[in-house]
Amino acid sequence: GENVEQHPSTLSVQEGDSAVIKCTYSDSASNYFPWYKQELGKGPQLIIDIRSNVGEKKDQRIAVTLNKTAKHFSLHITETQPEDSAVYFCAAIDTGGFKTIFGAGTRLFVKA
Amino acid sequence: KAGVTQTPRYLIKTRGQQVTLSCSPISGHRSVSWYQQTPGQGLQFLFEYFSETQRNKGNFPGRFSGRQFSNSRSEMNVSTLELGDSALYLCASSLGAMDSPLHFGNGTRLTVT
Repeated sequence: GENVEQHPSTLSVQEGDSAVIKCTYSDSASNYFPWYKQELGKGPQLIIDIRSNVGEKKDQRIAVTLNKTAKHFSLHITETQPEDSAVYFCAAIDTGGFKTIFGAGTRLFVKA
Repeated sequence: KAGVTQTPRYLIKTRGQQVTLSCSPISGHRSVSWYQQTPGQGLQFLFEYFSETQRNKGNFPGRFSGRQFSNSRSEMNVSTLELGDSALYLCASSLGAMDSPLHFGNGTRLTVT
């Protein structure tokens, strides 16, 4: 089955700096890679996703890159703001069944 | 469009009891997945239902079960509760394709004493 590893577990940046979170996956057939943001007291919310037919996708200050050969993908947040502080999860599809496997999460702190 | 609704938000139960959690998906979504979230284990997949059929199940004991109704609403049940079952239980709905994004509710916080 799919296994997703995520690094770092904690990330602290100054407001305005960039933040990068990296993930690797094991199922080479996996073709969908979403990222979720979880704020305190809430469920995870999708912030961006990428499919295996593209190498990069951007949405304002957020971008995701995918390297299928190396089986890793990354989330890039530019010009970080205090409201970006949250836990971020990467995920990948287990092609053996209808389930999404999550990384362990990265707690991002943005210091004002 | 209303989001995913989970009830209740909080539950306190005693060891040995059983509990039922409820999830109402986004209108039009036929897939419901359940996850257990704990600080040490992250988001662990419990099971997924589509049109009342369980399509996949995670590595949890048989005390954890679920079902889905014809209106796509879902329930999960945990019997003979153990202290280690204390967690945030999250439900997510989707259109049901492998690459359909999940839409999560805000969870049910279960505490077992």
